[in-house]
Amino acid sequence: GAVVSQHPSWVICKSGTSVKIECRSLDFQATTMFWYRQFPKQSLMLMATSNEGSKATYEQGVEKDKFLINHASLTLSTLTVTSAHPEDSSFYICSATGGVAGDYNEQFFGPGTRLTVL
Amino acid sequence: GQNIDQPTEMTATEGAIVQINCTYQTSGFNGLFWYQQHAGEAPTFLSYNVLDGLEEKGRFSSFLSRSKGYSYLLLKELQMKDSASYLCAASDSNYQLIWGAGTKLIIKP
Repeated sequence: GAVVSQHPSWVICKSGTSVKIECRSLDFQATTMFWYRQFPKQSLMLMATSNEGSKATYEQGVEKDKFLINHASLTLSTLTVTSAHPEDSSFYICSATGGVAGDYNEQFFGPGTRLTVL
Repeated sequence: GQNIDQPTEMTATEGAIVQINCTYQTSGFNGLFWYQQHAGEAPTFLSYNVLDGLEEKGRFSSFLSRSKGYSYLLLKELQMKDSASYLCAASDSNYQLIWGAGTKLIIKP
């Protein structure tokens, strides 16, 4: 159980275009989803936290108008990279939790999406 | 501020034992996670500690000392497939994970 999928697994796009990445919890309801970015040989960088039905909370330095996050249902969150540029090329990973505050909320990770902007 | 420290890289021999240390400073504390990440893949969960002491799970064990802000991951009977990065993450008062930079473990035959 506790499977999280991401789509697409990799994408190549031209500079200036927008790319949408989907994150789905397949067998549980994800009350909270997290979006991370990871550059080569670096650790995960949290971009934003989203709760179903509410606006995402962005980390400092992450442009909310550039990285649009929608968490419309308990099983789906999307990240849209708008007007992508080569410096946005990275490994984007989502994770999801379905726990209740007070329990330990293990994050279940999706397989990641490799974005390359030409 | 919040901070996680772990070594950047370690090397060990197949069949041996290796201990990866992690120290943390967080605003509040709701547990310590260890994740394994192979190159080009997402992290996978290894262990969770919230109470002091040692948790054993097969070849992997994890230890926590809350008073010292310290944890370690112990890997026994190392196999080549254990070559990966090992990420330490502490859960703060908001249950948000604060991530370390990861320890790259290289296993030699």
